[in-house]
Amino acid sequence: KAGVTQTPRYLIKTRGQQVTLSCSPISGHRSVSWYQQTPGQGLQFLFEYFSETQRNKGNFPGRFSGRQFSNSRSEMNVSTLELGDSALYLCASSPGQGVHLGTQYFGPGTRLLVL
Amino acid sequence: SQQGEEDPQALSIQEGENATMNCSYKTSINNLQWYRQNSGRGLVHLILIRSNEREKHSGRLRVTLDTSKKSSSLLITASRAADTASYFCQETSGSRLTFGEGTQLTVNP
Repeated sequence: KAGVTQTPRYLIKTRGQQVTLSCSPISGHRSVSWYQQTPGQGLQFLFEYFSETQRNKGNFPGRFSGRQFSNSRSEMNVSTLELGDSALYLCASSPGQGVHLGTQYFGPGTRLLVL
Repeated sequence: SQQGEEDPQALSIQEGENATMNCSYKTSINNLQWYRQNSGRGLVHLILIRSNEREKHSGRLRVTLDTSKKSSSLLITASRAADTASYFCQETSGSRLTFGEGTQLTVNP
């Protein structure tokens, strides 16, 4: 099976712009989770989607949003970018959800730089 | 902070030695997982241990879980230079998924 894919791999934006990142989960996986990784804050959970519904949300402002499509592919959007949004954004898929999440399989990440 | 704590933050050993990393968490958990990350790439799943389990093995990896102390440890035996990476624990508690701060392991050839 193909692994989790994320596009784009690298992105440079300027403050105030918005960005959309894409994640394609492993075939058959219905849960997609998003994480932000920065040197200062480490790995922070953004949100989890299962069957096109947001099931779980981390402590991030409303500028961070996401959605999941019927084929389980997911996108996350960040509006009005700030310098502090520069990070590695990781997507992970799993067959279960919530407490039954089980093993998560991570994509290579999208590295976002905000100038 | 929501995050659990891992110690040490950095660990440098010689090839062939064992490496032990510890993870402490704050609330009761459903399960705890260990991941490895090479140089800012995606995470690779290593082991999942459920709250009713005390120890699991996978190859050169051994994970223990002490729910009374709210802590877990990852032991890598007979380390190799290729084990150089950052190691993270992630606890699942209800609907909350929390990563530890990670341990940077360097294995010197």
